[in-house]
Amino acid sequence: QGQLVQSGAEVKKPGASVKVSCKASGYTFSSYGITWVRQAPGQGLEWMGWISSYKGTTNYAEKFQDRVTITTDTSANTSNMELRSLRSDDTAVYYCARAAMGARIYHYYFHMGVWGQGTTITVS
Amino acid sequence: QSVLTQPPSVSAAPGQRVTISCSGSSSNIENNYVSWYQQLPGTAPKLLIYDNNKRPSGIPDRFSGSKSGTSATLGITGLQTGDEADYYCGTWDSSLSAGVFGTGTAVTVL
Repeated sequence: QGQLVQSGAEVKKPGASVKVSCKASGYTFSSYGITWVRQAPGQGLEWMGWISSYKGTTNYAEKFQDRVTITTDTSANTSNMELRSLRSDDTAVYYCARAAMGARIYHYYFHMGVWGQGTTITVS
Repeated sequence: QSVLTQPPSVSAAPGQRVTISCSGSSSNIENNYVSWYQQLPGTAPKLLIYDNNKRPSGIPDRFSGSKSGTSATLGITGLQTGDEADYYCGTWDSSLSAGVFGTGTAVTVL
């Protein structure tokens, strides 16, 4: 079935960077991608980006294009998300999720079947 | 600003049925597959529906999904108090080359 375990909560100053890790177990890591999603207090889900664990290719939301880097370490079954130049409105719970992503005759499927427990990042 | 629009809230009595709509466009819902997620208070989201209408193992058949044109719908029958949660639709947007989520809908069991 699979499990994702994320690193612990962090408090950062504005302008700093943060790196959140996400360790996978219980499934073949390279068979799925990893997506990063965040949720500000009282707000909805916000998609940040995705990485193919097999190819290492990435897609980022335009909003985060210049500030975020998502990587994977297939030897450690781990994905990392680094967010730079932190602002107070980056305060949120950050989730990693196992993503199934592909295309069937030009129609994309993209869904997240396993989620990490979330990591609270506070910028203050 | 989400590109997928959902009603902020829906409610019904226990045992009743609710539907949640998710409105998008030709670059996302109309031409790609839709998924639905349930987020109970204080927990991570959980996949309820994928590929428009498929349920992962362990998801009861009280939950169903459908899609028509630029809109998708999640249905919940036999509503239970444990179904009180926020529900989100999601899909891929081919124009943005990005994943997108709906604005979220809070379900209340009266």
